[in-house]
Amino acid sequence: GENVEQHPSTLSVQEGDSAVIKCTYSDSASNYFPWYKQELGKRPQLIIDIRSNVGEKKDQRIAVTLNKTAKHFSLHITETQPEDSAVYFCAAKWGSYIPTFGRGTSLIVHP
Amino acid sequence: DAGVIQSPRHEVTEMGQEVTLRCKPISGHDYLFWYRQTMMRGLELLIYFNNNVPIDDSGMPEDRFSAKMPNASFSTLKIQPSEPRDSAVYFCASSFGTEDNEQFFGPGTRLTVL
Repeated sequence: GENVEQHPSTLSVQEGDSAVIKCTYSDSASNYFPWYKQELGKRPQLIIDIRSNVGEKKDQRIAVTLNKTAKHFSLHITETQPEDSAVYFCAAKWGSYIPTFGRGTSLIVHP
Repeated sequence: DAGVIQSPRHEVTEMGQEVTLRCKPISGHDYLFWYRQTMMRGLELLIYFNNNVPIDDSGMPEDRFSAKMPNASFSTLKIQPSEPRDSAVYFCASSFGTEDNEQFFGPGTRLTVL
């Protein structure tokens, strides 16, 4: 089955800096990669996703890149703000199979 | 739609007691998932249903855990007997199909077993 590794487990940045979270996956057939954000005490919510026919996708301050050859994808947050502080989960899935989640990255943005 | 609804939001019980967690998925969604979240193991998929039928329960930790989905609008996760190591946040999520479709999570149930 699919295995998703996520790094780092904790990331601390100053407000205004950029943050990058990286994930690798094992199944080359995976073709859909969502990212979820979970604020403290809240539920995970989808913030951005990317499909394997696209190398990069942006939505305001967040972007996701995908390298199919290396089987890794990354979440980039620019101009971080305190409200970006949360746990971020990456996931990978293939077709109708259930997504496999990474262990999560706790992002702390210091004002 | 009110989103995925879970109850109770918090549950404190003593070791050995039976615990029942409840979930109402978003209307029209045909997939329902139960997850457990802890600091040590992160977000773990316990079981998921498609059209009320359990598809994969390989994530259920042991026989003390059971899940049912008697109809399209209701599911339960039961732990009997509960143990302190079951303490976690349990999330229910639903989606329409699985082809690149977002999973919508409920607010979670924080379970504490003393």
